[in-house]
Amino acid sequence: DAGITQSPRYKITETGRQVTLMCHQTWSHSYMFWYRQDLGHGLRLIYYSAAADITDKGEVPDGYVVSRSKTENFPLTLESATRSQTSVYFCASSYTGPTVEETQYFGPGTRLLVL
Amino acid sequence: AQTVTQSQPEMSVQEAETVTLSCTYDTSENNYYLFWYKQPPSRQMILVIRQEAYKQQNATENRFSVNFQKAAKSFSLKISDSQLGDTAMYFCAFMKYFGNEKLTFGTGTRLTIIP
Repeated sequence: DAGITQSPRYKITETGRQVTLMCHQTWSHSYMFWYRQDLGHGLRLIYYSAAADITDKGEVPDGYVVSRSKTENFPLTLESATRSQTSVYFCASSYTGPTVEETQYFGPGTRLLVL
Repeated sequence: AQTVTQSQPEMSVQEAETVTLSCTYDTSENNYYLFWYKQPPSRQMILVIRQEAYKQQNATENRFSVNFQKAAKSFSLKISDSQLGDTAMYFCAFMKYFGNEKLTFGTGTRLTIIP
């Protein structure tokens, strides 16, 4: 049972470059999320998706783009990376149903450094 | 909008002792979920315990229990018989019912268990 995976786990890039962080889950969860974790802020929601082809902004969406063509994948793209996007990025997923717990399960995180 | 406050940035306790982590939140919602997540040095986010606001009974999971005071909007985590493996960051999080499952996190408490 692979659960939820993220790749790469570590990434160094330069200002202005495009970077894509991948997230894959094997549970067939409807909902998927991207958070960033910074000192002093805890985790903040960037984007989320309720199902394939349905996405919506979270608290800090500027500078990020998401897509969800398949239920199991939810890539996050930084179109033109900036130093302020240096952070640890977490993907999460959850299943929504009338009799199922609404609990989010997190991937291992991707540490991104923008030089 | 919801806010979650963790007023203890750092705590430490001797192994085998009991420790309580504080969390308060602000919301106008009546139905919601509350969670405690643990983040060990590996950075993996691990669900510790969850509480549904409509339930009077406090949730427990082995050595972990909560004190949920809905009127006071307080949600503390008690760890009994603390173990070295409990050393981690602990995050309190809020999610409203039918809120598209968006989690709002506190800034975390760094807990160190001293041998």
